[in-house]
Amino acid sequence: GESVGLHLPTLSVQEGDNSIINCAYSNSASDYFIWYKQESGKGPQFIIDIRSNMDKRQGQRVTVLLNKTVKHLSLQIAATQPGDSAVYFCAENRSGGSNYKLTFGKGTLLTVNP
Amino acid sequence: ETGVTQSPTHLIKTRGQQVTLRCSSQSGHNTVSWYQQALGQGPQFIFQYYREEENGRGNFPPRFSGLQFPNYSSELNVNALELDDSALYLCASSRHGDSLNSPLHFGNGTRLTVT
Repeated sequence: GESVGLHLPTLSVQEGDNSIINCAYSNSASDYFIWYKQESGKGPQFIIDIRSNMDKRQGQRVTVLLNKTVKHLSLQIAATQPGDSAVYFCAENRSGGSNYKLTFGKGTLLTVNP
Repeated sequence: ETGVTQSPTHLIKTRGQQVTLRCSSQSGHNTVSWYQQALGQGPQFIFQYYREEENGRGNFPPRFSGLQFPNYSSELNVNALELDDSALYLCASSRHGDSLNSPLHFGNGTRLTVT
């Protein structure tokens, strides 16, 4: 079936390094993508989103890249900090429907070593 | 701006029992969605409520039901609890028809354990 998935379940980086978390999606009708960060015991926290008419979007220390040709999404975190340690989920949505339903991947656990 | 709040934070129930989870939406939001997150998995869409009616449903059996109230708050009810219902239940709110303009904002969830 169509789904959103992640290439790497875990990622360990040194503090100060850049992190890249990847995500593959298979639903070509998806037109809105979101990255969420989830810390232990908390709900998913919005990081950044991107619409399918864009291929790059930047936020504070984060950049999301979208490659619709290969249905690939990535989250880049610059100068990774210990507070960035969490599980990161990509999610996709198809607009135009009567409801707003996100399909999530399994998540990538990012560990930042001091 | 008040965020999404959920209660209770933790709950332990016995198989076969019924449970009600509650959610208050973020200020300005009129749509509430519920997600189930099993341990080590991403959240899965249960259903969404708008104008006090169900407005979309995921692959969950009828024993999962909900309500939305005039103040946009919502309840998730699960009957005949099964062990596999043990999960984190997340509530998220949004503005209806705004899927291209605003991401879902989640609460911190209710951790349900079924024994």
